[in-house]
Amino acid sequence: AQSVTQPDIHITVSEGASLELRCNYSYGATPYLFWYVQSPGQGLQLLLKYFSGDTLVQGIKGFEAEFKRSQSSFNLRKPSVHWSDAAEYFCAVGANSGGYQKVTFGIGTKLQVIP
Amino acid sequence: DGGITQSPKYLFRKEGQNVTLSCEQNLNHDAMYWYRQDPGQGLRLIYYSQIVNDFQKGDIAEGYSVSREKKESFPLTVTSAQKNPTAFYLCASSIDRGDRGHYGYTFGSGTRLTVV
Repeated sequence: AQSVTQPDIHITVSEGASLELRCNYSYGATPYLFWYVQSPGQGLQLLLKYFSGDTLVQGIKGFEAEFKRSQSSFNLRKPSVHWSDAAEYFCAVGANSGGYQKVTFGIGTKLQVIP
Repeated sequence: DGGITQSPKYLFRKEGQNVTLSCEQNLNHDAMYWYRQDPGQGLRLIYYSQIVNDFQKGDIAEGYSVSREKKESFPLTVTSAQKNPTAFYLCASSIDRGDRGHYGYTFGSGTRLTVV
């Protein structure tokens, strides 16, 4: 069974600073990897996804993530954070399970942006 | 615009009541899902459906029931057997590619259920 670890529950960054949110996964084969963002009281929005190919993936809102197989990681990055990026971020891993792709979510990282 | 509509946004349930959460999508997606979100626990899968008239239990199906009579609709009933139903419920859909993976979920805006 697959699993996802987001080691940081809360992160605070200054506006304009760079951001890196960590995600580690456990799965025996090549996984499908996702990052989602959630604003308070809202649903989740897909930021980016990795299936295969180029290990550096570009997403919406200026985010990118890099798949590192050797480290079982899929960290999310943004070069310059805006106040509107304050939200909760979820990493997820998808794995094949009997004709169905089971998706497991991490517990989330809450991002606070200070002026 | 295509999307997923969940209603109501807020729902209050008395002890012993069954309540039904609505989820409708106009994305023409085959697969639909229900997740429960609790603080500090991420999202946990309740039920999913890959085609009409078929659905499967997820990780925490006890105390919940679903139906899939139409492709567009996937309502969730929280029964009185669910002992701790207070949570944020999220409906999602995706293009179903079976075990070849999918392109990611589209989520609704959620329903917050509170037991009173």
